[in-house]
Amino acid sequence: GAVVSQHPSWVICKSGTSVKIECRSLDFQATTMFWYRQFPKQSLMLMATSNEGSKATYEQGVEKDKFLINHASLTLSTLTVTSAHPEDSSFYICSASSGRVYTDTQYFGPGTRLTVL
Amino acid sequence: AQSVTQPDIHITVSEGASLELRCNYSYGATPYLFWYVQSPGQGLQLLLKYFSGDTLVQGIKGFEAEFKRSQSSFNLRKPSVHWSDAAEYFCAVGTTSGTYKYIFGTGTRLKVLA
Repeated sequence: GAVVSQHPSWVICKSGTSVKIECRSLDFQATTMFWYRQFPKQSLMLMATSNEGSKATYEQGVEKDKFLINHASLTLSTLTVTSAHPEDSSFYICSASSGRVYTDTQYFGPGTRLTVL
Repeated sequence: AQSVTQPDIHITVSEGASLELRCNYSYGATPYLFWYVQSPGQGLQLLLKYFSGDTLVQGIKGFEAEFKRSQSSFNLRKPSVHWSDAAEYFCAVGTTSGTYKYIFGTGTRLKVLA
């Protein structure tokens, strides 16, 4: 149980285009979803937290107009990288939790590799 | 400030040898601590977690971790490493006050020699 999927697993796009990444909880309802960014050989940096039906909360330094997050249902959250540039190339990982408090474990998706040319 | 430190970027052990991965945290309140493993092409998998109770926590795949409040540490151990344990290991602190989120360490890459 507690499976989280991401689609696509990798994507290559041209500079200036937008890319959408989907995160789905397959066997549980995800009240809260998180989006992380992982640079090569570095840790996961939290970008934003989204609760179903409300606006995402972005971490300091993350451009909310560039990284659009939508959590429209209890099983789906999307991250759209708008007007992507090469510096946006990274590994994006989502996680999902059935609750909103610290006792609710996060379950992670396999990640999406974004390459912007 | 809240932070997690994993002092060892890379560790190499021989198959069958014991393993200890270090994790130190800085958090003002009672921490909720995790160890995750990341293998290529797979999502982070939860090995074990600790919030309260017995300070020695048993996890999956034969891993255990010990919480030491006085040392602000949560080291991961395994008595006998298998080649399949080669992966990236992350320690994380879950915030227990304010906004609910995880703070990850920089990770330790484990290499296992046959």
